[in-house]
Amino acid sequence: DSGVTQTPKHLITATGQRVTLRCSPRSGDLSVYWYQQSLDQGLQFLIQYYNGEERAKGNILERFSAQQFPDLHSELNLSSLELGDSALYFCASSVGTEGNQPQHFGDGTRLSIL
Amino acid sequence: GQSLEQPSEVTAVEGAIVQINCTYQTSGFYGLSWYQQHDGGAPTFLSYNALDGLEETGRFSSFLSRSDSYGYLLLQELQMKDSASYFCAVSDSNYQLIWGAGTKLIIKP
Repeated sequence: DSGVTQTPKHLITATGQRVTLRCSPRSGDLSVYWYQQSLDQGLQFLIQYYNGEERAKGNILERFSAQQFPDLHSELNLSSLELGDSALYFCASSVGTEGNQPQHFGDGTRLSIL
Repeated sequence: GQSLEQPSEVTAVEGAIVQINCTYQTSGFYGLSWYQQHDGGAPTFLSYNALDGLEETGRFSSFLSRSDSYGYLLLQELQMKDSASYFCAVSDSNYQLIWGAGTKLIIKP
């Protein structure tokens, strides 16, 4: 158990819809990262937050947005969903912002767009 | 641009030794990390190398050569449970992690 909690575990919705994925980081971790992993693909970094502030942005679409709240949990909002958005979405957390700190991953949210 | 190269797939026999290579080209370098991911599971941290040389943790070892922009993960006494994907990731000049595409390790009995 990594200590990172993601909800929901599975999500099935239709094209054009909007969904929100939730992540609670490990106790004591201030950084939260969001990743997208399509079938048999690598991890695509989307965005990082540190202590409530956006820290780094990867290949995140404009239809996607995220935020980190004062209690450090984070939400990833995906809108105008397309079939290609079907993927496993991971949240990870680390103590700080440096890349030498291990990232602890949640079990992911599997999003299926019909 | 920034890139990490690792083989897409490696096959080995149970009980043997296997090496998964990773070469990188990034803007700045602070360290090389390795993560393991079983099918359908979450990635888990294995190791981190900031300096040249070999770091050993049980059956797994990780090596780094900064001058060659190269590293590898060495798995010894392979077990069936080691079947997974292995990702290398580099901490760049902004301390962000740049991820490789992953290597699928297939272990045969």
